[in-house]
Amino acid sequence: AQSVTQLDSHVSVSEGTPVLLRCNYSSSYSPSLFWYVQHPNKGLQLLLKYTSAATLVKGINGFEAEFKKSETSFHLTKPSAHMSDAAEYFCVIDTGGFKTIFGAGTRLFVKA
Amino acid sequence: DVKVTQSSRYLVKRTGEKVFLECVQDMDHENMFWYRQDPGLGLRLIYFSYDVKMKEKGDIPEGYSVSREKKERFSLILESASTNQTSMYLCASNKGSGNEQFFGPGTRLTVL
Repeated sequence: AQSVTQLDSHVSVSEGTPVLLRCNYSSSYSPSLFWYVQHPNKGLQLLLKYTSAATLVKGINGFEAEFKKSETSFHLTKPSAHMSDAAEYFCVIDTGGFKTIFGAGTRLFVKA
Repeated sequence: DVKVTQSSRYLVKRTGEKVFLECVQDMDHENMFWYRQDPGLGLRLIYFSYDVKMKEKGDIPEGYSVSREKKERFSLILESASTNQTSMYLCASNKGSGNEQFFGPGTRLTVL
């Protein structure tokens, strides 16, 4: 069975410090993995996507994620948080056949 | 600019009413999706459609039905609204499995 687990429901960082949002997945197949961001009262927007071309994926707004097959992880990182990064982040797995599974989400708070 | 639009941002209905949520995309995408989003649960797939008049149940189809008479339009129907269907409803589309999904702004439905 396929599943996605976001290990933290809330993460709080200070502006200018690194961000780490953790995601583990379970899949019998080689999945496509995504991170989406949802700002308050806005729709979901794609941050980045992994589809087996490279294990380190760069996304928008300075975010990146590393696919680690041995650890079944796809953690999202950013070297320096900005106030505008405060949002909810979703890790998503797509195993083909139209089956897309969303994690429960991690809300990121950024303190001034 | 690609776009997914939903007919209402906010909707208030009474228990037992029939509710229609409309979604339109202008990207000529084959696939369209309906999700509901609840705090702590992420997004859960209600139904998806991979072609006109074709539909498949997602993870939580009970109490819902869908209609796709034209490629660009995907409707979600609550046959008899209940209070436990109070939620944020998100529509999305993409051009095929493994591809980015584009989301509408959402409809916040309250059933009294």
